[in-house]
Amino acid sequence: QKEVEQDPGPLSVPEGAIVSLNCTYSNSAFQYFMWYRQYSRKGPELLMYTYSSGNKEDGRFTAQVDKSSKYISLFIRDSQPSDSATYLCAEGGGGANSKLTFGKGITLSVRP
Amino acid sequence: DTGVSQDPRHKITKRGQNVTFRCDPISEHNRLYWYRQTLGQGPEFLTYFQNEAQLEKSRLLSDRFSAERPKGSFSTLEIQRTEQGDSAMYLCASSSTLTGGGLDTEAFFGQGTRLTVV
Repeated sequence: QKEVEQDPGPLSVPEGAIVSLNCTYSNSAFQYFMWYRQYSRKGPELLMYTYSSGNKEDGRFTAQVDKSSKYISLFIRDSQPSDSATYLCAEGGGGANSKLTFGKGITLSVRP
Repeated sequence: DTGVSQDPRHKITKRGQNVTFRCDPISEHNRLYWYRQTLGQGPEFLTYFQNEAQLEKSRLLSDRFSAERPKGSFSTLEIQRTEQGDSAMYLCASSSTLTGGGLDTEAFFGQGTRLTVV
């Protein structure tokens, strides 16, 4: 079993839809949870991070973590064509163990 | 500050040749990471430095790969005797452990170097 599993894609939604992206992880040592967005042929850019269970909002984006079930989600409200990209979940141990373990990524397409 | 800079952006090389990539991190970032990303996959960790010390290497980093960060600023990643399986995007990221707040894993990525081995 891979340490980080991400729901397979691709995903295509109409503009204005609510998008739900999900990952599960197996390593209890993970403490930090991040979502990165990656446009084609570009490096990943950090969207959101959290280190506790619960929800964290930032504009149209909400990150949700459930440590008891090792489940993290990213919700995008009022999706826009500019949200079309690959979304990567990532987990990290923090401290001296600061490498990130990424999911496979899911490609989202928002249709105008 | 212009972010993490990687050079070159693209590299095409013949199998068996050596290649070297350079990464310039964000100024004052003491941590620097190398990742490899193949098509349809997420980035995979290769190695990371804190200042000039290489603190961890993945088992993905075979003997043909070597990374350095001699003065704790820029870093180089060299691949010797390249193979077709080395074709990938090589990503560099940097972060700081000096900002406090426990956010020492917030990594900022460069645009990557796309390597094609023919």
